[in-house]
Amino acid sequence: DIVMTQTPLSSPVTLGQPASISCRSSQSLVHSDGNTYLSWLQQRPGQPPRLLIYKISNRFSGVPDRFSGSGAGTDFTLKISRVEAEDVGVYYCMQATQFPLTFGGGTKVEIK
Amino acid sequence: QVQLQESGPGLVKPSQTLSLTCTVSGGSISSGGYYWSWIRQHPGKGLEWIGYIYYSGSTYYNPSLKSRVTISVDTSKNQFSLKLSSVTAADTAVYYCARDRQGFGELLTWGQGTLVTVSS
Repeated sequence: DIVMTQTPLSSPVTLGQPASISCRSSQSLVHSDGNTYLSWLQQRPGQPPRLLIYKISNRFSGVPDRFSGSGAGTDFTLKISRVEAEDVGVYYCMQATQFPLTFGGGTKVEIK
Repeated sequence: QVQLQESGPGLVKPSQTLSLTCTVSGGSISSGGYYWSWIRQHPGKGLEWIGYIYYSGSTYYNPSLKSRVTISVDTSKNQFSLKLSSVTAADTAVYYCARDRQGFGELLTWGQGTLVTVSS
């Protein structure tokens, strides 16, 4: 299985300041079709996860543009340009390049 | 707007079979292009992909659960289901159904999740 490792585990952030989450995979996520199937999900407290980003950097419909994804190969980053109160929650990266689909352990974003 | 809703017993005895159904509304399972997924989250923990099914019946399972898992689809009822046999306390989790566009991790839509506790 591909292991997804996220850092940090927790990210206390001041409102209006940026936040960055790193995700590293144990092997390249480049699929044989040339795409890289790396997604980011947000899980607010008491809610199911919600898709933010797919294929590294594509924002899902309705996701604010303060969220951006980048990276390639085995190293990926989710950035929040200016954290708002509604961004509190746990963020997961996920790979779907190889079966089984696997998730990172999660990064908790909280307000200082 | 497609919505998903899980249903099933919230309490299952050890060694028995966990059975959940996900009802799809606002769209047809048979329309194609989506893989209908089951994902679970142990209390206070991260996410684990269980598997998914295409409307045609093709299934893909997590090898760690494959010997115990069956995912099926009923297009006439616009539902898909999960069966997990020989459960133990380690299967206690919130179970989510989700819709994955093209089966490549674009988990567009999620159910609210249902907590299943395995206990005698």
